[in-house]
Amino acid sequence: DAKTTQPNSMESNEEEPVHLPCNHSTISGTDYIHWYRQLPSQGPEYVIHGLTSNVNNRMASLAIAEDRKSSTLILHRATLRDAAVYYCISKSQGAQKLVFGQGTRLTINP
Amino acid sequence: DGGITQSPKYLFRKEGQNVTLSCEQNLNHDAMYWYRQDPGQGLRLIYYSQIVNDFQKGDIAEGYSVSREKKESFPLTVTSAQKNPTAFYLCASSITRGWNQPQHFGDGTRLSIL
Repeated sequence: DAKTTQPNSMESNEEEPVHLPCNHSTISGTDYIHWYRQLPSQGPEYVIHGLTSNVNNRMASLAIAEDRKSSTLILHRATLRDAAVYYCISKSQGAQKLVFGQGTRLTINP
Repeated sequence: DGGITQSPKYLFRKEGQNVTLSCEQNLNHDAMYWYRQDPGQGLRLIYYSQIVNDFQKGDIAEGYSVSREKKESFPLTVTSAQKNPTAFYLCASSITRGWNQPQHFGDGTRLSIL
């Protein structure tokens, strides 16, 4: 399976940028990198996805390493509502499934 | 507004009983998925369906069954064969069959054993 590795937890302050790292060294060349986040007792929410180049949307930016073995989700100005578990996901090699790792629990301090 | 509706939000099952979790979407998505989440863990895929009248097993299909008779509906039955059914169940859909399409999730059903 294409495996992702993320830190278990991270902490940041409100109104500061947050950089959430993810390693995906076995990702194949045509598979996208997806990021989702999940608040307590809710379903995951799609954040952003990309293939090779950096991507931006209203929620976040995604910076993808040139060798595609890692990526970073960037929240430019964190708010308290950004406190959640963030999942970095890649498609499994040779199988049609998404692999959810353990995720990173992001805490935002006021 | 378009979205995914899961019901009920909370469900209790007696020993030896089958229960069915509902998932409905009005997004006109082809693909639908069921995941299970245990406390402090990530999501694990139970079943998925890429088109009406077709579905495939995920990683942990034992003790579960599904049907996909309509595009908008993908109910999950937790059978008595599932010995540890207590979990948070999440339904999702995506616009096409491709695994590289973003998935939209419902708010989940929390199943507990009485």
